[in-house]
Amino acid sequence: EIVLTQSPATLSLSPGERATLSCRASQSVSTYLAWYQQKPGQAPRLLIYDASNRATGIPARFSGSGSGTDFTLTISSLEPEDFALYFCQQRVNWPELTFGGGTKVEIK
Amino acid sequence: QVQLQESGPGLVKPSETLSLTCTVSGGSMRGDYWSWIRQSPGKRLQWIGHIYYSGSTNYNLSLKSRVTISIDTSKNQFSLKLTSVTAADTAVYYCARESCSGGSCYLRTWGQGTLFTVSS
Repeated sequence: EIVLTQSPATLSLSPGERATLSCRASQSVSTYLAWYQQKPGQAPRLLIYDASNRATGIPARFSGSGSGTDFTLTISSLEPEDFALYFCQQRVNWPELTFGGGTKVEIK
Repeated sequence: QVQLQESGPGLVKPSETLSLTCTVSGGSMRGDYWSWIRQSPGKRLQWIGHIYYSGSTNYNLSLKSRVTISIDTSKNQFSLKLTSVTAADTAVYYCARESCSGGSCYLRTWGQGTLFTVSS
């Protein structure tokens, strides 16, 4: 099973700052990686798919990069509604999917 | 806009069967895969399995012997059955729509999740 390791576990930042989240795979997943946002009591929301493609309706301040084993989600300037939990997911062995443990972006 | 809502009993006893239903509103089930994912306390999300709108299924190998996913497109619903549950099956269960575009399939729409507890 491919293990996804996210870092840091918690990121404390202020609105307007840049957030950089990391997801590392235990073996190559090519670019078959997605990022999701989850807020308490809400459904997770797809942000980025295939490592760098924004999903429909996702603001341009969210961007994804990487390939192989190292991936990054960047939020260029944090808005108040961006403070949430973020997790990555790979699909290289579709239909088997695995998920990262998550990074919580909290207000400093 | 497609929305998903999970429903089912929140509590069952050990060795019993978990039964959950996901109701799809705002769109058709045609052409997509319909998935179940869970998250146990303190653990990461785990993919349970999915069903194509035509009825073909795929399951997580670690759960395959206990899982059945079915679909009723006339009711816009799909369901999960997990047999012989133990405390380890206590989790928040999510249903999700996995849509494919250009060969890339991702979980594009999720339900809010429902807590399912195994306890005597």
